[in-house]
Amino acid sequence: AQTVTQSQPEMSVQEAETVTLSCTYDTSESDYYLFWYKQPPSRQMILVIRQEAYKQQNATENRFSVNFQKAAKSFSLKISDSQLGDAAMYFCANEQGGSEKLVFGKGTKLTVNP
Amino acid sequence: GAVVSQHPSRVICKSGTSVKIECRSLDFQATTMFWYRQFPKKSLMLMATSNEGSKATYEQGVEKDKFLINHASLTLSTLTVTSAHPEDSSFYICSAREGGRGFTYEQYFGPGTRLTVT
Repeated sequence: AQTVTQSQPEMSVQEAETVTLSCTYDTSESDYYLFWYKQPPSRQMILVIRQEAYKQQNATENRFSVNFQKAAKSFSLKISDSQLGDAAMYFCANEQGGSEKLVFGKGTKLTVNP
Repeated sequence: GAVVSQHPSRVICKSGTSVKIECRSLDFQATTMFWYRQFPKKSLMLMATSNEGSKATYEQGVEKDKFLINHASLTLSTLTVTSAHPEDSSFYICSAREGGRGFTYEQYFGPGTRLTVT
């Protein structure tokens, strides 16, 4: 069965600093997708970044980048130049190719200190 | 961008009654819609997957007779909580996935519905 593990229930970072959120996953599939979602206090789920497993290059979206280590089944999210608006719950998720189902980790609550 | 709406955003109902939650894709056709449940300070738990025109597929442990899902069109899915009890109180989130030409693996999420059963 698919599992997604986020080992950091809470993290904090100073504004303008960099923080890395950890995620590991377990899958027997070779074709799959990985996502980081942000859930602010409004509870609206927002896609932060997506990584296709077949791509070796790490995905980047502005201040957000991932470190995808396929052999280690690790998918960490780096937020650079943290902003107050980055404060939220962050969920790592895995979708097996073709299944359409997302399996979420338990989330990491990120606090950004001014 | 793709937008998914949910209605209502909040609902309070009495124990034993039924309540319907709507999930609409506003600017795209959703071949597949998903329903999640989220408890306070917890992760999202997939309840069921629905495809337009066919029966929903429920995850293990989810009572299909209690949580009725209807995906009547390519833009609308409904979740009906039947004979609601206080333990059904939760935050329900839907998501929709666009199918067809140019689709990606992204699921677009609705803003959620807070259900409180008294």
